Amino acid sequence: DVKVTQSSRYLVKRTGEKVFLECVQDMDHENMFWYRQDPGLGLRLIYFSYDVKMKEKGDIPEGYSVSREKKERFSLILESASTNQTSMYLCASSLPVLDYGYTFGSGTRLTVV
Amino acid sequence: AQTVTQSQPEMSVQEAETVTLSCTYDTSESDYYLFWYKQPPSRQMILVIRQEAYKQQNATENRFSVNFQKAAKSFSLKISDSQLGDAAMYFCAFEYNNNDMRFGAGTRLTVKP
Repeated sequence: DVKVTQSSRYLVKRTGEKVFLECVQDMDHENMFWYRQDPGLGLRLIYFSYDVKMKEKGDIPEGYSVSREKKERFSLILESASTNQTSMYLCASSLPVLDYGYTFGSGTRLTVV
Repeated sequence: AQTVTQSQPEMSVQEAETVTLSCTYDTSESDYYLFWYKQPPSRQMILVIRQEAYKQQNATENRFSVNFQKAAKSFSLKISDSQLGDAAMYFCAFEYNNNDMRFGAGTRLTVKP
């Protein structure tokens, strides 16, 4: 069963901490994405990567960075967590084909206190 | 800029009945893809149905079908014979290049027994 795995379902971090959210896919997909999901706002793209070591900013990259050292792994980094980064974070992957759609992970609920 | 609008934050349907979820989008592109994703309470987003813009025939997947009106930029989802397992958040999404999928704010569907 192919899948996208996010390492944590729930995280609680303190303001100012550096936070790492990990995502691993086993489908050999070229593209990987990080979204943030907030009620009433849907999913907003933070960063995406279409190849190893490549990254592109999405709509809301401020306060975040990413790392893709291997094809199967895409990490989201909150350099200094703030309370307004409390949210659900979704990782997704896809083939570089327009009609394929995305495969999503189960999400990480991050709370910054 | 591409935008996706879901005007119904919440919908409810009686078990075995039919419900239609609305979605409109705005784009100047001529060739693109549209998707409906389902996010059950377990949170993993799954693809329900997809539609390619140049295909006039509406997509169907078992009890799920779409009404795609390209000129009106409308893409509604019809769920027939609703089941308790259909209860979820439903997101409409638009994609015209492989690295940019836009999501609506979502519609929460409740199924009443």
